[in-house]
Amino acid sequence: GENVEQHPSTLSVQEGDSAVIKCTYSDSASNYFPWYKQELGKRPQLIIDIRSNVGEKKDQRIAVTLNKTAKHFSLHITETQPEDSAVYFCAASWVSSASKIIFGSGTRLSIRP
Amino acid sequence: NAGVTQTPKFQVLKTGQSMTLQCAQDMNHNSMYWYRQDPGMGLRLIYYSASEGTTDKGEVPNGYNVSRLNKREFSLRLESAAPSQTSVYFCASSAEANTEAFFGQGTRLTVV
Repeated sequence: GENVEQHPSTLSVQEGDSAVIKCTYSDSASNYFPWYKQELGKRPQLIIDIRSNVGEKKDQRIAVTLNKTAKHFSLHITETQPEDSAVYFCAASWVSSASKIIFGSGTRLSIRP
Repeated sequence: NAGVTQTPKFQVLKTGQSMTLQCAQDMNHNSMYWYRQDPGMGLRLIYYSASEGTTDKGEVPNGYNVSRLNKREFSLRLESAAPSQTSVYFCASSAEANTEAFFGQGTRLTVV
């Protein structure tokens, strides 16, 4: 069925180091993969997205990679800063129902000073 | 622009009571969604509406009903609330398929 798995559930990194969060999806026809950041007590907000015709996308310290063959995609944050501490969600849309966006279970990222 | 507005922000219900969560967007978006967020389980899709006049079940639709009243408004109804429905509910909208979803501020619902 439709599923997005996300790992790890928690991640702690030293400030300045890199963080990587990985997701896998079940539907090989999925074609849109957004990442959302949710700070404590706030609503989720889009930070970056990638479409299936692109293998990698970067936006300053954030990058996302997509491996369609393996059906997985990853979020990379470099030079982490305290304000990167938050819960991050990956998501995937389904071609059979293009408005249906399914989220992963989330990763709580903590940046150690 | 207010974006996506949900009411109420907080609600306490007794088991068996009913209520409707309201959601409205002012961005002229076609698609709207209802999610629930529970600790450790991410955002789970309850129902969605790809366009005005259509609604479809998501991952966890049992115990809920929805109405896409018009292009702006998408309401979520709990007919007989249960403690398992204690959660934070988020409404979201997007212009079309495969575009950014904008979330409301959430409704914290407690069923006792």
